[in-house]
Amino acid sequence: TQLLEQSPQFLSIQEGENLTVYCNSSSVFSSLQWYRQEPGEGPVLLVTVVTGGEVKKLKRLTFQFGDARKDSSLHITAAQPGDTGLYLCAGGGSARQLTFGSGTQLTVLP
Amino acid sequence: KAGVTQTPRYLIKTRGQQVTLSCSPISGHRSVSWYQQTPGQGLQFLFEYFSETQRNKGNFPGRFSGRQFSNSRSEMNVSTLELGDSALYLCASSLAPAIYEQYFGPGTRLTVT
Repeated sequence: TQLLEQSPQFLSIQEGENLTVYCNSSSVFSSLQWYRQEPGEGPVLLVTVVTGGEVKKLKRLTFQFGDARKDSSLHITAAQPGDTGLYLCAGGGSARQLTFGSGTQLTVLP
Repeated sequence: KAGVTQTPRYLIKTRGQQVTLSCSPISGHRSVSWYQQTPGQGLQFLFEYFSETQRNKGNFPGRFSGRQFSNSRSEMNVSTLELGDSALYLCASSLAPAIYEQYFGPGTRLTVT
């Protein structure tokens, strides 16, 4: 069974601070995705990374896939209240289905 | 292009009853997956349908079932509801099976009393 662990589980920071969220596994994934979910809504896809060592930037968000394709990180620069939400990583692998991490609940205080 | 739609958005049922949830995928998407989301277990995969056939199934009891119609719309059914079935049920569509980029609907919040 492929499992993904996210840390931290909860994160509360002030507007303007930087933060990093981690997604780790002992399994290799063929792709890794990050989603953000707001209350009462479904997850929204932010990015997909497929190559070990790949780095993708989306405005103030930087996503990295580990060299061994077992881990990933999401770094947010100068966080804003609009970044508040549940951040989920999800891995695609041999099970031919997405395995989701437990999520990181981010709160950005104004 | 319209997103994934799910109906109803909220549902309250009594233990022992059954429920049917509906999902309409993004136009042109032929694969539909269902997930259960709870605070304790997070997002868990239920099953995936493509071309009216179940392609993959998660580790859920047989009380959970689904189907897909020729227009790619999908329904899931839960029979003999238990209190533990209270959850947000999410539907996601994608272009083809095992295409990992999923586009989610807003979910159906099911409460079992």
